[in-house]
Amino acid sequence: DAGITQSPRYKITETGRQVTLMCHQTWSHSYMFWYRQDLGHGLRLIYYSAAADITDKGEVPDGYVVSRSKTENFPLTLESATRSQTSVYFCASSESRTGGTYEQYFGPGTRLTVT
Amino acid sequence: GQQLNQSPQSMFIQEGEDVSMNCTSSSIFNTWLWYKQDPGEGPVLLIALYKAGELTSNGRLTAQFGITRKDSFLNISASIPSDVGIYFCAGQLRNTDKLIFGTGTRLQVFP
Repeated sequence: DAGITQSPRYKITETGRQVTLMCHQTWSHSYMFWYRQDLGHGLRLIYYSAAADITDKGEVPDGYVVSRSKTENFPLTLESATRSQTSVYFCASSESRTGGTYEQYFGPGTRLTVT
Repeated sequence: GQQLNQSPQSMFIQEGEDVSMNCTSSSIFNTWLWYKQDPGEGPVLLIALYKAGELTSNGRLTAQFGITRKDSFLNISASIPSDVGIYFCAGQLRNTDKLIFGTGTRLQVFP
């Protein structure tokens, strides 16, 4: 009954460090998404995945890496964190339907601070 | 990147009042979604709309898919303090897997 979970919920890291944010969903949804939310910019898509081993860039992919070896997990890695990546990160998932995806369901978010 | 124009940006209303907000775009959408986000939490889906002209309710919330397919509206009747939060619209363009989000409407309700 967990739905979609993210870990950690809060993270402080230093510039240049590698950081991985985890996302796990129990609905067996085909699609998973990573967004960042910043004041003045709303929700911006970083990467998304249509199925295991299929990923694609969103609006702001630079500096991020994703993988999806299992349907239920979609980790997001910041290879070398920068201060501009300080943000709140949301993972979401959606079923696959004819013509595209429909409702996206969001996790609780990870608040990341890069010092 | 593309964003939907959502208005108003913020609203300060008294408990019991009705609320209206809308999203507009120059693009045509296949699906419109409305979300609410409470502080420190992720957006929660309120209503999903799939057909032009569709009117759908969820309790005191009613949303409409504009007949031009370029806009959507959300109404909240008889507001209560727990309606406080940020409301986002999101639209799915034809032949894409992605949602485009509005800039949000921040709602404050005073007793």
